[in-house]
Amino acid sequence: AQKITQTQPGMFVQEKEAVTLDCTYDTSDQSYGLFWYKQPSSGEMIFLIYQGSYDEQNATEGRYSLNFQKARKSANLVISASQLGDSAMYFCAMREGRYSSASKIIFGSGTRLSIRP
Amino acid sequence: EAQVTQNPRYLITVTGKKLTVTCSQNMNHEYMSWYRQDPGLGLRQIYYSMNVEVTDKGDVPEGYKVSRKEKRNFPLILESPSPNQTSLYFCASSLGGGSGEQYFGPGTRLTVT
Repeated sequence: AQKITQTQPGMFVQEKEAVTLDCTYDTSDQSYGLFWYKQPSSGEMIFLIYQGSYDEQNATEGRYSLNFQKARKSANLVISASQLGDSAMYFCAMREGRYSSASKIIFGSGTRLSIRP
Repeated sequence: EAQVTQNPRYLITVTGKKLTVTCSQNMNHEYMSWYRQDPGLGLRQIYYSMNVEVTDKGDVPEGYKVSRKEKRNFPLILESPSPNQTSLYFCASSLGGGSGEQYFGPGTRLTVT
């Protein structure tokens, strides 16, 4: 069965430092997609980054990058030069199958990131 | 503006009183989904729909019903709500292929007393 594990319930990081949020997953499917979402205190869910299981390069989106280690089944989110506005809850999620049209999506329990000024 | 809307945003109801939470998207997305969010558990998928008249169970479907009669709408129905369905509910939609980035609605906070 699919499973997403985020082992860091909470993290404190100094502003301008880089931060890595851990995510490990379990799936028997060869084709899957991995996502990271941000949920600020206002409650909305914001898409950050996506990595497909067949993508050879790690995904990057601005200050966000996804450190994808397929053999270890990990998909850690790296935020470079953290900012106060990065304080939020972060969720890792996985979709089995190459396309989203016919599959479940599961989320991890989240990591609450707090940036210190 | 591309968006997913949910109504109501807040609802307090009593055990057993049927309710419907509406969800609508204006992006012509094939895939729509409902989640509930509870502290410490992240988001858990209730039901999802691949297209009109095609729905399937997520991880926590018990006590919920859905329908997809039109592409843009995906209502969540609680026929006999119970206090353990008190939660924050999100609707989301995405295209049927590629990265499948989901666009989320603003959430509906439901309290069942």
